Amino acid sequence: DAKTTQPNSMESNEEEPVHLPCNHSTISGTDYIHWYRQLPSQGPEYVIHGLTSNVNNRMASLAIAEDRKSSTLILHRATLRDAAVYYCISRPSSGGGADGLTFGKGTHLIIQP
Amino acid sequence: GAGVSQSPSNKVTEKGKDVELRCDPISGHTALYWYRQSLGQGLEFLIYFQGNSAPDKSGLPSDRFSAERTGGSVSTLTIQRTQQEDSAVYLCASRHAGTFTGELFFGEGSRLTVL
Repeated sequence: DAKTTQPNSMESNEEEPVHLPCNHSTISGTDYIHWYRQLPSQGPEYVIHGLTSNVNNRMASLAIAEDRKSSTLILHRATLRDAAVYYCISRPSSGGGADGLTFGKGTHLIIQP
Repeated sequence: GAGVSQSPSNKVTEKGKDVELRCDPISGHTALYWYRQSLGQGLEFLIYFQGNSAPDKSGLPSDRFSAERTGGSVSTLTIQRTQQEDSAVYLCASRHAGTFTGELFFGEGSRLTVL
C-alpha cells in the first residue's frame, strides 16, 4: 500500500466546514483512496473512497487532486459527533496478500462547540 | 444483530495465561480481518481470512498468536502465554469479498488487559 501522510490533529468549530488533508505522493494509478473514522471507544467506520473523480456521499465529500498525490476529506458542517480520528488509506485495486487496509495514526479531529 | 460482533468486550488476564477472542462477522461476508490497536496508536494488521483460502498470517507478531475460522464464519483469535505488551484493543472486521474496494465493517473490539 502506498504510504499516506496526515496531520496528527486538527481543530475546528461546530457547524463550520472541515477540510482534512492527506498526502499520498507514492500512489499508483490503480490505488484507491479510502477514508475511515474512529469515534471514541468504537471500531473504525467507513466514510468514503474514490479513485480519480471527486466523490460525495451523505457523510462527506472527497476531493482528489488532479495528480492524485493528495486528497481532502470535507465535512461540510461539522458537529460534535464528528470528533474522531480520521484515517486516510490508499490501496491497490488488484488483489494480492492480505489486501487489508494499513491504518496509520490518522488525524485526531477536535470540534469546539 | 446485523453488524460484526466481538466478545468479550473486555478481558483482564494475568501474564502467562491463554486468552481467546471471538469474532462473528456479518452474514455472507467471506473476508475477515483481525487488527490490534495499542493505546494511542493506529491499527496493526494481524491476520486475514478469505473464503476457503489459506489465511494470510503475515501480521501475527509471534507464534503465541494464532487464529482460526470455522465454517467460513466465526473466527477465534488465541493468544498463548500472554505478556503485558499484548494489552490492546483487538478489532475484527469483515467485508463482502465480491468487491475489492468494498468497505470494511468493524466490530467494537475486545479490550485485553494483561496484568
